[in-house]
Amino acid sequence: EAGVAQSPRYKIIEKRQSVAFWCNPISGHATLYWYQQILGQGPKLLIQFQNNGVVDDSQLPKDRFSAERLKGVDSTLKIQPAKLEDSAVYLCASSSQRTAGYGYTFGSGTRLTVV
Amino acid sequence: SQELEQSPQSLIVQEGKNLTINCTSSKTLYGLYWYKQKYGEGLIFLMMLQKGGEEKSHEKITAKLDEKKQQSSLHITASQPSHAGIYLCGADSVNYQLIWGAGTKLIIKP
Repeated sequence: EAGVAQSPRYKIIEKRQSVAFWCNPISGHATLYWYQQILGQGPKLLIQFQNNGVVDDSQLPKDRFSAERLKGVDSTLKIQPAKLEDSAVYLCASSSQRTAGYGYTFGSGTRLTVV
Repeated sequence: SQELEQSPQSLIVQEGKNLTINCTSSKTLYGLYWYKQKYGEGLIFLMMLQKGGEEKSHEKITAKLDEKKQQSSLHITASQPSHAGIYLCGADSVNYQLIWGAGTKLIIKP
């Protein structure tokens, strides 16, 4: 079974620039999560999709962050414009709803540095 | 809201020694997960615990959930350089989400 694919692995941008991250979940996984993980902290949920609908985006800074999941498969997370404090690892995970946390599979993450 | 506290925050251990990492919850745990993370990378699933008193092992790593289901420990026996990384505990929350501890950074000294 192929894992969760994320790209790019690394990205360095200047503040006020835009950036986009891509995630392809495990085939058949209805639930997709985007997390932000700042160095030394646990992952913070940004947005959760169930198929192509949003379940929870309460912690997504909507003035600069946006996310979509077209056709309930791939997802894109965008930051526009980026701030220094957005430097973090952005993790995508997918799960089969019935197995919840046990079925969580994470991608390799995208390490973003804003300078 | 439920919170997970991990201790210690960081740990430096001589290769070959044993070590324990703890994860304490402010509320009853209904599903507790241990993950390992290499710096700046994704999380790798280690084990899941659900029942009070449950204990699971994988190679030299053993995880336990206490009877009251509010604390879990992760024990590594005869540590090796491959054990180095960040260990995170996560717990089932609403809407099939997980809440997370802040992680324990483990360094193995040769």
